[in-house]
Amino acid sequence: QQQVKQSPQSLIVQKGGISIINCAYENTAFDYFPWYQQFPGKGPALLIAIRPDVSEKKEGRFTISFNKSAKQFSLHIMDSQPGDSATYFCAAFGRGSARQLTFGSGTQLTVLP
Amino acid sequence: GAGVSQTPSNKVTEKGKYVELRCDPISGHTALYWYRQSLGQGPEFLIYFQGTGAADDSGLPNDRFFAVRPEGSVSTLKIQRTERGDSAVYLCASSLKAGRNTGELFFGEGSRLTVL
Repeated sequence: QQQVKQSPQSLIVQKGGISIINCAYENTAFDYFPWYQQFPGKGPALLIAIRPDVSEKKEGRFTISFNKSAKQFSLHIMDSQPGDSATYFCAAFGRGSARQLTFGSGTQLTVLP
Repeated sequence: GAGVSQTPSNKVTEKGKYVELRCDPISGHTALYWYRQSLGQGPEFLIYFQGTGAADDSGLPNDRFFAVRPEGSVSTLKIQRTERGDSAVYLCASSLKAGRNTGELFFGEGSRLTVL
């Protein structure tokens, strides 16, 4: 079963635009929500993460918005650049027996120059 | 090395053969994870070690898959009687403290397994 649902599957944005990727989760035992960025041939790398006690976290051009009641969170990339072109994965990490990262299916972002 | 190291980077084998994939985690990281990533998909959890013991192996698809971490550092993922459906990139990740695991995993570049 898919515990973290991610959309869209692919996204094309013009340089300077805003990229928005959405995720929804089901398991209320999740307590840490990272986003990973993956370039072709590389492993995923942590981009930004949030805990459910805050509604928003910003690091540079990257912002996570978190809605605990709706069990949804999203990544916003401001002023998108061609170098941001990569696959982005949302993930969730849980307490207790769920102590492993569960990934979404990924969003392939292309930023056009 | 500074990061998670995985070998081999590429492995081509024939159906029915046995393969071993190795992971050398970041020094001092006590937690080690194996994930499998199929083309166009997110990484799928296989197994998680705290130290030498497998804390959670619920993601291993069947008994052809086995992983060890005998000294709490290097880990080996072993696949017996490989099948074409095992073809994927096998990712290893480590994190700093199992007991206070924040969920920040550091991934290697993966071992791409192709079963002909």
